[in-house]
Amino acid sequence: NAGVTQTPKFQVLKTGQSMTLQCAQDMNHNSMYWYRQDPGMGLRLIYYSASEGTTDKGEVPNGYNVSRLNKREFSLRLESAAPSQTSVYFCASKTTGGATDTQYFGPGTRLTVL
Amino acid sequence: AQSVTQLDSQVPVFEEAPVELRCNYSSSVSVYLFWYVQYPNQGLQLLLKYLSGSTLVKGINGFEAEFNKSQTSFHLRKPSVHISDTAEYFCAVSDGTSYGKLTFGQGTILTVHP
Repeated sequence: NAGVTQTPKFQVLKTGQSMTLQCAQDMNHNSMYWYRQDPGMGLRLIYYSASEGTTDKGEVPNGYNVSRLNKREFSLRLESAAPSQTSVYFCASKTTGGATDTQYFGPGTRLTVL
Repeated sequence: AQSVTQLDSQVPVFEEAPVELRCNYSSSVSVYLFWYVQYPNQGLQLLLKYLSGSTLVKGINGFEAEFNKSQTSFHLRKPSVHISDTAEYFCAVSDGTSYGKLTFGQGTILTVHP
């Protein structure tokens, strides 16, 4: 049982390049989330998917798109990377959309945009 | 809208000393409160959560937190810390109305010195 996995672990992009961050969970969870972590700012929600087939914007969605490919997988795409998107990206999942459930986090992707 | 403030960005402490990490929140509705820990170069894992009932919540690794509604606080405590407790700690709140989205505080870096 791997939990939440993310690929790649590290990535360096040039300004204007595109890339997709992959996330998969094997816990049969319905809800999945993408966060970014910046020093002194905690984690901020980019997008979330309450269930398969639905996606919604979080606090900082500009410059990102997401796809809930199936129940297991939730990808985050940067169409035209900017230096302001240099960050550590975390994917998380939980059983339902309920507020009391625990979110389980992946190990993160460290992205640098030059 | 809810918000979370962690009052200390860094807390240095000696091994076997007690520690308190402070967290205040604001919300206009009932809240569910969480503490997560992030060890270096890892994802976040749940320490404990308050949903309802007893205001003193016990978590993993000897940590506990007390929910204080009148002071809108949820401080994390441990009576005797170990070197392995060195990590970043995040307080988070979910208001139960938006598919369980979490709002995180800025994080507190706990450094335990020998």
